[in-house]
Amino acid sequence: GESVGLHLPTLSVQEGDNSIINCAYSNSASDYFIWYKQESGKGPQFIIDIRSNMDKRQGQRVTVLLNKTVKHLSLQIAATQPGDSAVYFCAENRRGAAGNKLTFGGGTRVLVKP
Amino acid sequence: DSGVTQTPKHLITATGQRVTLRCSPRSGDLSVYWYQQSLDQGLQFLIQYYNGEERAKGNILERFSAQQFPDLHSELNLSSLELGDSALYFCASSALPDPNEKLFFGSGTQLSVL
Repeated sequence: GESVGLHLPTLSVQEGDNSIINCAYSNSASDYFIWYKQESGKGPQFIIDIRSNMDKRQGQRVTVLLNKTVKHLSLQIAATQPGDSAVYFCAENRRGAAGNKLTFGGGTRVLVKP
Repeated sequence: DSGVTQTPKHLITATGQRVTLRCSPRSGDLSVYWYQQSLDQGLQFLIQYYNGEERAKGNILERFSAQQFPDLHSELNLSSLELGDSALYFCASSALPDPNEKLFFGSGTQLSVL
């Protein structure tokens, strides 16, 4: 299940530093956003979500920021650890005539340097 | 462990063949989603079922079909397989009919078409 060969933007971060991963979404009608982490050989794992009536939500070591004006979403990871090395995906609940779909962005690979 | 079970984990077959992928959702979840993850396309939504009925459709090829059974497990059928169908296929589940809550993903089925 490793995304070897997938041409992902990569964020290299020193262990202990903070990481910021950015995501742009396209549909102004999207009302729910979510971040997933995918480790090698595994399925996507939920990190944090946010609804469109909020602009910030915090979890354990993670914060999601939503800027609806510019349709931008970010994930901040505090004190990045080696176990945070993975591919991170944002997704939006995109409403449409053929049903509502959780649509994923292309992903960002995070590499944590010891 | 997400509680979503996918079988088989790996599948190797030849062009022109037909395969069936199976998914058992988390206990109590009525929605099942299928996603395809290939090296150059990221996570692509295929189709969603809710309580046995098709709920939303993505860019699923006509050669592909799915169904959800009364016991809520789902199968994704891929026929007339082509080399380009080689990918990781994920199933996810949730309780609600719309994807405005977190989805729980299985570990995926790696399909290799030779």
